[in-house]
Amino acid sequence: GDSVTQMEGPVTLSEEAFLTINCTYTATGYPSLFWYVQYPGEGLQLLLKATKADDKGSNKGFEATYRKETTSFHLEKGSVQVSDSAVYFCALRSTGFQKLVFGTGTRLLVSP
Amino acid sequence: DADVTQTPRNRITKTGKRIMLECSQTKGHDRMYWYRQDPGLGLRLIYYSFDVKDINKGEISDGYSVSRQAQAKFSLSLESAIPNQTALYFCATRPEGGGTDTQYFGPGTRLTVL
Repeated sequence: GDSVTQMEGPVTLSEEAFLTINCTYTATGYPSLFWYVQYPGEGLQLLLKATKADDKGSNKGFEATYRKETTSFHLEKGSVQVSDSAVYFCALRSTGFQKLVFGTGTRLLVSP
Repeated sequence: DADVTQTPRNRITKTGKRIMLECSQTKGHDRMYWYRQDPGLGLRLIYYSFDVKDINKGEISDGYSVSRQAQAKFSLSLESAIPNQTALYFCATRPEGGGTDTQYFGPGTRLTVL
């Protein structure tokens, strides 16, 4: 079945450091790919998405590129802030299905 | 006001008790979902509903039941709670069609079963 694999956390960075959170997937067809973010005490919010190969999703300084050849959708940010501290979830939706499949989440901790 | 609300936000109960978690939305979406979140396991789908008369099991529906009382309300019940149902539960909504894949999540209910 479809699945999403994320790097384990926590990822601990200093403010203004470069961030990469790895995400790879297994799916049939051409899934849509997502990054959701969960801030402390809150529900998940969509951060960015990409619906076809080579698409780049971006939002709030975060970017991720849909790489079909490597089945990856890595999340990057050039300069993290303390306010980026949260749990980040990679997810996919397979073609023709209405359900999301989530990765296990990666906690990001950014210190001043 | 929040578009997706969940009640209660926190609940502690004992093994064998019946528990109902409620979700309400003002977004006018047809599709509603219940997930549970466990450390190291991410979010797993319990049940989902595409409209009032269309309810489907997710990957971990055993021990749970749901009721879609209206378009805006989707309740999750634990008929006889057990300790391994201790988790954070999220409700989510999504519009039908419109070309969007975005799901909108409630703030979550933290359930502890002793």
